[in-house]
Amino acid sequence: DAKTTQPTSMDCAEGRAANLPCNHSTISGNEYVYWYRQIHSQGPQYIIHGLKNNETNEMASLIITEDRKSSTLILPHATLRDTAVYYCIVRVAGGNQFYFGTGTSLTVIP
Amino acid sequence: KAGVTQTPRYLIKTRGQQVTLSCSPISGHRSVSWYQQTPGQGLQFLFEYFSETQRNKGNFPGRFSGRQFSNSRSEMNVSTLELGDSALYLCASSLAWQQNYEQYFGPGTRLTVT
Repeated sequence: DAKTTQPTSMDCAEGRAANLPCNHSTISGNEYVYWYRQIHSQGPQYIIHGLKNNETNEMASLIITEDRKSSTLILPHATLRDTAVYYCIVRVAGGNQFYFGTGTSLTVIP
Repeated sequence: KAGVTQTPRYLIKTRGQQVTLSCSPISGHRSVSWYQQTPGQGLQFLFEYFSETQRNKGNFPGRFSGRQFSNSRSEMNVSTLELGDSALYLCASSLAWQQNYEQYFGPGTRLTVT
């Protein structure tokens, strides 16, 4: 079962930062937080993942709270091509299986 | 480097038939996972394979099965198809198992059962 809670939908103006929140209050100490996005029934695309430190790559930044019960994905300058469903996933220790929740449908508005 | 490839991309079958879907992981990746995506249930984990062995299995009936070959390519099979098996079937590959490498998904196989 999914261990995350995300808002169903969000809008963001083009060029502005998109901040997508995720709650994972039951996360265990050795479980990572992963973010993926899916554009119109294509395969999900990996964005970023982290354990407890903030992470940044060319696509996004991941901010994880000190108690690890929540995190925020930041797309620094949203474009129309960032319109997608964003999934926050807590990776269960001991395997590669992901339990997806319902995700957040992000719409970037011109 | 080529991504994850899945064949066929689209498939139409009749109730009661069986189907085999194929997944070729990214070169060098040894772990393959399968997922089913439907509008009602979202993305659900089916099973994962590493070194030709099933390592984890999701909550699906025994009609769903899979295997992995020595070259890491994987197939999944669904027998006695039901209308509810209509879905997008996604395959994901990863470098290894039980380590926090990212998974890369293929484009999926769209199965329609009539």
